[in-house]
Amino acid sequence: DAGVTQSPTHLIKTRGQQVTLRCSPKSGHDTVSWYQQALGQGPQFIFQYYEEEERQRGNFPDRFSGHQFPNYSSELNVNALLLGDSALYLCASSFGGNYGYTFGSGTRLTVV
Amino acid sequence: KQEVTQIPAALSVPEGENLVLNCSFTDSAIYNLQWFRQDPGKGLTSLLLIQSSQREQTSGRLNASLDKSSGRSTLYIAASQPGDSATYLCALTGGGNKLTFGTGTQLKVEL
Repeated sequence: DAGVTQSPTHLIKTRGQQVTLRCSPKSGHDTVSWYQQALGQGPQFIFQYYEEEERQRGNFPDRFSGHQFPNYSSELNVNALLLGDSALYLCASSFGGNYGYTFGSGTRLTVV
Repeated sequence: KQEVTQIPAALSVPEGENLVLNCSFTDSAIYNLQWFRQDPGKGLTSLLLIQSSQREQTSGRLNASLDKSSGRSTLYIAASQPGDSATYLCALTGGGNKLTFGTGTQLKVEL
């Protein structure tokens, strides 16, 4: 049973560019959440998708956007990258958000 | 706004010791509390999930307790091993479905 799969594993982008990160949820899960983790900090909630709609959003600017597809997979897009966007981006899936979350291995984004 | 604090921030113990990691939160209206383990540069591995109606959960050498009235959860690790070295994060869900994380406890178990 595959867990949560994220791609790519690592990414280096230049300031001002745009990036797309991808996530496939665990089999049977219908809800996908995205988190940003800066070095030495706990993950911070970006947003959550359920039934292809953004259900909840954290305190992140509109440069961060997302999408959920009919097969429950999801993308995180970040426009106009800043140096401060460098972080580990984690995807988590759940069944309705009520039975705990399963995390992927993350995408390490470096903005130079 | 829910705030989650983990103490200590770092901990170093000799192999074989029993240890307790602490997690405190400010808003007792929580739905679930989950403990995770994170190895350096890696994703999060779920260890234990405690639903709001439960008081504790156990898995192998791990035991987690939840006291909503006092705003506290503890993770007990018995007979620690070098392979337990990692950062341990507690996270909880409240009225919404998002997880609110603490900053973690970095554990090192030495031979």
